[in-house]
Amino acid sequence: KNEVEQSPQNLTAQEGEFITINCSYSVGISALHWLQQHPGGGIVSLFMLSSGKKKHGRLIATINIQEKHSSLHITASHPRDSAVYICAARPQDSNYQLIWGAGTKLIIKP
Amino acid sequence: DAGVIQSPRHEVTEMGQEVTLRCKPISGHNSLFWYRQTMMRGLELLIYFNNNVPIDDSGMPEDRFSAKMPNASFSTLKIQPSEPRDSAVYFCASSPTGGVREQYFGPGTRLTVT
Repeated sequence: KNEVEQSPQNLTAQEGEFITINCSYSVGISALHWLQQHPGGGIVSLFMLSSGKKKHGRLIATINIQEKHSSLHITASHPRDSAVYICAARPQDSNYQLIWGAGTKLIIKP
Repeated sequence: DAGVIQSPRHEVTEMGQEVTLRCKPISGHNSLFWYRQTMMRGLELLIYFNNNVPIDDSGMPEDRFSAKMPNASFSTLKIQPSEPRDSAVYFCASSPTGGVREQYFGPGTRLTVT
C-alpha cells in the first residue's frame, strides 16, 4: 500500500461541474502539497497546507489531520483546468522529503 | 523573476554518450532539487542541495549519475554513460529557506536515450 494515495486516478467532467480530488496518507506529516502538471509537462505548486483550508480563485484545498485526508476542489470547472493534479506529503521527520501521490488526470470537456 | 531555468528542454542521445542537464534556480532560493519523472515510477527525488551542499543523494540511481552545484545560481546533473532506461523527464526545483516551503519547478528536460 502506497503511503500517499489519490483518487480517482482519472476524472472526466463537463465544463462547469464541481470537481473533487482526494488524497489520503498513512504517515504523520507536517505539510501537504497540491501541484498541477499541465499537458505540456510543467509543474506548478498550487497549495501547501498543514491545517484547515486554503482558497485561491476557483481552487480550494482542505486537510483533515485526524483523518489523514486532503481534498482539492475546483468550482465552475473549465477546459483549461485539464491537467494532472498531484498531492505530496512532507513527513514529520523530514524538512525536504516529499512522498508523492500517483496523480489524478482531470479532463474537463466543453 | 524568470523562474527556474533548465536546459536543454529536449535531449536525444545515443546509449553510451555523456549527458549534462543544467539548472538555474530562482535567485535567493537556497534549496535545489533534481527529480526524475517516468510513467512507471512517477516523480522521484534524485538529489537535494542546501546552500550548494549535497544533503541527500540517496535517490541517485547509480554511479553513472552525478550532480554538482558549484555556486548558488547553477547546478548540473550528469549521466555518463547514458542508457535507454535513463529516458525520462528530469526536473529541477528550487525552494527558499530549505524544503519547508513550496518548491518551484523548472520546465523539465525530456531525455531520450536510444
